[in-house]
Amino acid sequence: DVKVTQSSRYLVKRTGEKVFLECVQDMDHENMFWYRQDPGLGLRLIYFSYDVKMKEKGDIPEGYSVSREKKERFSLILESASTNQTSMYLCASSSTLGRELFFGEGSRLTVL
Amino acid sequence: GDSVTQMEGPVTLSEEAFLTINCTYTATGYPSLFWYVQYPGEGLQLLLKATKADDKGSNKGFEATYRKETTSFHLEKGSVQVSDSAVYFCALLYGGATNKLIFGTGTLLAVQP
Repeated sequence: DVKVTQSSRYLVKRTGEKVFLECVQDMDHENMFWYRQDPGLGLRLIYFSYDVKMKEKGDIPEGYSVSREKKERFSLILESASTNQTSMYLCASSSTLGRELFFGEGSRLTVL
Repeated sequence: GDSVTQMEGPVTLSEEAFLTINCTYTATGYPSLFWYVQYPGEGLQLLLKATKADDKGSNKGFEATYRKETTSFHLEKGSVQVSDSAVYFCALLYGGATNKLIFGTGTLLAVQP
């Protein structure tokens, strides 16, 4: 079975802190994605990567950056967390174009 | 741009009732369409998909038919169970060279015994 593992299920951070959210997939997928999920807004794409060291902005990249140094790992970075970044963050991966996305269980971030 | 609109919830049903969750889309070209389900405390998982017009996706008793003429992909189940309580997301595959999904806002289904 494909497994997408997110490092933290729950985090509480303070405004201005740097936050790292880690995601690892074990199926050698080329594509990896970070979404945020908010009530009434569904899932919105923050960043995605289709290869090591490659990244592309999604629909809401402001305030975020990403890193993909190894194929299996995709990190989301909040350089200076703000309260409006309190949300559920979902990582996903997929193999070739047009295939199913496999999601992790999510990381719920609260910024105080 | 491409978008997905699905009915707002929550949808509350009694066990064995018939379920319909409406989903319509706006897209250029011919997107692939998906339904994902999110059970409490879990990530999303693919429920079913359809890749071209008139295709019917089905899984676990759920069905959805890709209707190009009405740009719809409504989710149906003949007899829901308590275990079907979850959030359901309709999604389309973004046109272009990458497999980015565009999601609807999600519909919470609560099934009561």
